[in-house]
Amino acid sequence: DGGITQSPKYLFRKEGQNVTLSCEQNLNHDAMYWYRQDPGQGLRLIYYSQIVNDFQKGDIAEGYSVSREKKESFPLTVTSAQKNPTAFYLCASSPRTGTGNTIYFGEGSWLTVV
Amino acid sequence: AQSVTQPDIHITVSEGASLELRCNYSYGATPYLFWYVQSPGQGLQLLLKYFSGDTLVQGIKGFEAEFKRSQSSFNLRKPSVHWSDAAEYFCAVGAMGYGGSQGNLIFGKGTKLSVKP
Repeated sequence: DGGITQSPKYLFRKEGQNVTLSCEQNLNHDAMYWYRQDPGQGLRLIYYSQIVNDFQKGDIAEGYSVSREKKESFPLTVTSAQKNPTAFYLCASSPRTGTGNTIYFGEGSWLTVV
Repeated sequence: AQSVTQPDIHITVSEGASLELRCNYSYGATPYLFWYVQSPGQGLQLLLKYFSGDTLVQGIKGFEAEFKRSQSSFNLRKPSVHWSDAAEYFCAVGAMGYGGSQGNLIFGKGTKLSVKP
């Protein structure tokens, strides 16, 4: 089945550690996105990528990094510089960028700092 | 700047009752509007979208939404709610020129729907 796969579903991080969240899509979509979701805050854009080897910062990119070496993959690294990383992270993709484009979401990953 | 407001944080309805979730947007041009649904701990599923044409849009699971340009609204409706509709609902508008690129969505903060037996 086509879709967006995020892993792991649950991840625990010690303070000072970097962690990487995986996102893979087999929809042949050009654009991919990472959102952060906190209770009562809605979704906030961290990074997005329109094409392989290119990505742009969103609203809350500080403390995060991404790469886009393959069309189907867009991993997110939460670095130790992110002061409050505990949140639900959603990966998404769309066929292309452009206003009106429909964005599809993965099932999300929970990150907890312990 | 583009924005989306969902005025109701939490709504409770009885099973079988009708439902209307409100969404107001601020956008400088013709908006592209979406409703998504999220079950606890899950990703977002697209319910419906409006790009152009007929202002009444039909979606999945028996939902519909009506675009009213004069009121800058895109309210979601369902004639008869089922217990399985309990979830959080997000309205979103397609952002023009966001961060130098088009295609991203601006989300409202969501409305949590509870359904009473």
